[in-house]
Amino acid sequence: SQQGEEDPQALSIQEGENATMNCSYKTSINNLQWYRQNSGRGLVHLILIRSNEREKHSGRLRVTLDTSKKSSSLLITASRAADTASYFCATASRDSKTSYDKVIFGPGTSLSVIP
Amino acid sequence: DAGVIQSPRHEVTEMGQEVTLRCKPISGHDYLFWYRQTMMRGLELLIYFNNNVPIDDSGMPEDRFSAKMPNASFSTLKIQPSEPRDSAVYFCASSLTRSTATYGYTFGSGTRLTVV
Repeated sequence: SQQGEEDPQALSIQEGENATMNCSYKTSINNLQWYRQNSGRGLVHLILIRSNEREKHSGRLRVTLDTSKKSSSLLITASRAADTASYFCATASRDSKTSYDKVIFGPGTSLSVIP
Repeated sequence: DAGVIQSPRHEVTEMGQEVTLRCKPISGHDYLFWYRQTMMRGLELLIYFNNNVPIDDSGMPEDRFSAKMPNASFSTLKIQPSEPRDSAVYFCASSLTRSTATYGYTFGSGTRLTVV
C-alpha cells in the first residue's frame, strides 16, 4: 500500500528555476524522507524531516512538513540539468505489530530540468 | 564503503525457472529491506530483516517468493517458479538504526528482472 502521494507526477522546468514537489500522506508519521532516483539507478537519500520539525535545509534543498495537513514539500532552488531525476517521498510510521518503523514510498515525481 | 551491493544487475529468465537475487548490505547496518519497483505499483516493500531475522514479510506477494539472511553480510530473494508478472526492478536497502528518525536507507543499484 502507498501512503505518500506526490504531486505533480511530472514537472518540466528551465535550468535556474526553482522546482517544488508536494507529498501528501494519510496516517501519522515519525518522519518523512525524500529520495532521488536517476534513471536506471537506485534511490539516494536526500533529506529527512522529523514529525516535530517544520522546515529543514540541505544545500539547495528545502523541505517543509505540515503535520496538521499531512503534507510536505520539497523545494529545489536554482535547478540544474543534473537534478533531472525522479523524486520520492517516503513516510516512516511505527508498525504496531512489530514496533519497528515501516517506510512506505509514494509513486514519485519525475523532474526534467531543461538546459 | 562500497555501499549496498546487489547482483546480478540484470537477469533474464524463462517462465517457470528459479531466480535468485543477492544483496550485500553495508557493513554494520543491522536492517535489510527488499523492495520491488514497477511502473504500475511503484516501490513495494516485500520484506525486512533485523539482525538477520525476518521482521515483516507481509509484502511478499506469494509463496513463490522467499527471502533469507543467513548472516549479517548476505541476503537472498528467491522466486520459484518465476512468472512474467514478476518482471520488475528489485532493490535491496540497508539501514543502521531501529528508528529511521536519524538515518534514511541506503539502496543498492537494483536487479532488473525480466521473465519471458
